[in-house]
Amino acid sequence: ETGVTQSPTHLIKTRGQQVTLRCSSQSGHNTVSWYQQALGQGPQFIFQYYREEENGRGNFPPRFSGLQFPNYSSELNVNALELDDSALYLCASSTGQGLEQYFGPGTRLTVT
Amino acid sequence: LAKTTQPISMDSYEGQEVNITCSHNNIATNDYITWYQQFPSQGPRFIIQGYKTKVTNEVASLFIPADRKSSTLSLPRVSLSDTAVYYCLVGDPNSGYSTLTFGKGTMLLVSP
Repeated sequence: ETGVTQSPTHLIKTRGQQVTLRCSSQSGHNTVSWYQQALGQGPQFIFQYYREEENGRGNFPPRFSGLQFPNYSSELNVNALELDDSALYLCASSTGQGLEQYFGPGTRLTVT
Repeated sequence: LAKTTQPISMDSYEGQEVNITCSHNNIATNDYITWYQQFPSQGPRFIIQGYKTKVTNEVASLFIPADRKSSTLSLPRVSLSDTAVYYCLVGDPNSGYSTLTFGKGTMLLVSP
């Protein structure tokens, strides 16, 4: 059983650019959630995908968007990057309902 | 979602039992209590979940009093590798979609 993987590990972008982060869910999991974690804070929920449909969204602007593919892997896209978007972006997979989610190691995004 | 309150930090020594208490005064009838552990630059890891009384697994115990307005995560005989941030979360696992609402967590430092 493979765990949740994310790519890239680290990324440096310039303000105004666009970025795509990728996540492969754990085998057998059909739900993927994305979180943003700023330094010293707990992870903040961005959105969740269930069977390729957005299934819930946190308090993030529309420039944060996502996709889920038939194999349940997922992408997080952020347009018009801002300095405050610098954070660790975490992907978590699960089997749908339930509070037990399996997190990947995260992508560290730095916006300069 | 019920708000949780935890101590910002705790210190302990190797071999001691550590108890981290979380307050959740407005917990709803269908809410469960879940704890996650996070090491630096890694995604959170599910530790334990419970609804009432006591739950024990190979890693920890979770004590929940009858009024369910608080809960205590108990880590027996901690080691240096238990140094991490511990998050208490409250939510309904059977809601339409399950998001995890993290606070700032409790930073546990275990010393030799």
